[in-house]
Amino acid sequence: GQNIDQPTEMTATEGAIVQINCTYQTSGFNGLFWYQQHAGEAPTFLSYNVLDGLEEKGRFSSFLSRSKGYSYLLLKELQMKDSASYLCAVTDSNYQLIWGAGTKLIIKP
Amino acid sequence: IAGITQAPTSQILAAGRRMTLRCTQDMRHNAMYWYRQDLGLGLRLIHYSNTAGTTGKGEVPDGYSVSRANTDDFPLTLASAVPSQTSVYFCASSEGQERSKAFFGQGTRLTVV
Repeated sequence: GQNIDQPTEMTATEGAIVQINCTYQTSGFNGLFWYQQHAGEAPTFLSYNVLDGLEEKGRFSSFLSRSKGYSYLLLKELQMKDSASYLCAVTDSNYQLIWGAGTKLIIKP
Repeated sequence: IAGITQAPTSQILAAGRRMTLRCTQDMRHNAMYWYRQDLGLGLRLIHYSNTAGTTGKGEVPDGYSVSRANTDDFPLTLASAVPSQTSVYFCASSEGQERSKAFFGQGTRLTVV
């Protein structure tokens, strides 16, 4: 079957750096997405990786290793507003999005 | 309208009743999706449509039906609601099947009692 694993919950301190990992096993691979979802709101797009390596976008970076079936989302200079769930999703060989259950990130002052 | 609009935003429904969740997008996206999101389970695909006039079943289609009469609208119908359909429902769209970056509506919180 298809599976995406990410930690259920993480806690970090304001101003610090946090890395949220995602491992996947899917039938084919056509890209990996990270979404941010604040409580009670819709998911919003953060990043997209289709080739190996690091994609940087401001305070957020996303890394992909296709051979290892692994990605991480790196958040720098954490702010209280970064408290949210972070969803990892993979596009499989049929271009269907397979979603992880999400990682709830708690930021403490 | 800007992006994707869902209606209603929340609803309490008696078991056995029929309910249609509405979804409209103004981005001229070809593909549209309905997901349900339950605590600890993440987003699960109910039904999808790759283009107007076509629909397909997702991971959890039982008890739900959809139609795609035009590009903009993708309603989801619960024929006879059951308590296990209590969930948050998200409609999403993308440019096309192979351009799968999804844009989401604000969600519908449905409680079946």
